[in-house]
Amino acid sequence: AQSVAQPEDQVNVAEGNPLTVKCTYSVSGNPYLFWYVQYPNRGLQFLLKYITGDNLVKGSYGFEAEFNKSQTSFHLKKPSALVSDSALYFCAVRPRWDDNDMRFGAGTRLTVKP
Amino acid sequence: DSGVTQTPKHLITATGQRVTLRCSPRSGDLSVYWYQQSLDQGLQFLIQYYNGEERAKGNILERFSAQQFPDLHSELNLSSLELGDSALYFCASSPSTGAQETQYFGPGTRLLVL
Repeated sequence: AQSVAQPEDQVNVAEGNPLTVKCTYSVSGNPYLFWYVQYPNRGLQFLLKYITGDNLVKGSYGFEAEFNKSQTSFHLKKPSALVSDSALYFCAVRPRWDDNDMRFGAGTRLTVKP
Repeated sequence: DSGVTQTPKHLITATGQRVTLRCSPRSGDLSVYWYQQSLDQGLQFLIQYYNGEERAKGNILERFSAQQFPDLHSELNLSSLELGDSALYFCASSPSTGAQETQYFGPGTRLLVL
């Protein structure tokens, strides 16, 4: 069965420092991978996705993610964190052969301190 | 703003009651997805409709049902409500059914069952 894991419930970084939010998956083949962000009392906002091609994907608000097939990971990164990046981040995975089954990780709460 | 609208924003009701949540997808999107977000279960896929037809079912209870109308808006009906049904319910939409497509989420309906 396919699954996605976000091993850290909480990530704390100082403003201006680089941030990484981790995501690993267990799906046969090369899945489609997504990152979403949820601000308090808001819906999920799409950040970026990996479909094919370059393993480094650039998305909204200066975020990027690197697809690593050998480690089955899709970590979200940003070179310099902002206080306004503080939110709940979700990784999601979808097999290429099953357009009905999108699985979300449990979420990682990112706190950026001034 | 994703372009997906949901009403109402908040709903407070009693156990045993029935409620209807409404979703309007982004203009041009034919697929609508419903998700439930709770603290203990995380974000769970409930059901998907495509152009008026049910396409996929996830962890949707038999007490819950949904439909998509000719104008493509969708309604999620929750009946015989229990305390455990208290959650955030999200609707998402995408242009079609491809696994690589991004799902765009609405702001959600917060349901509280007392």
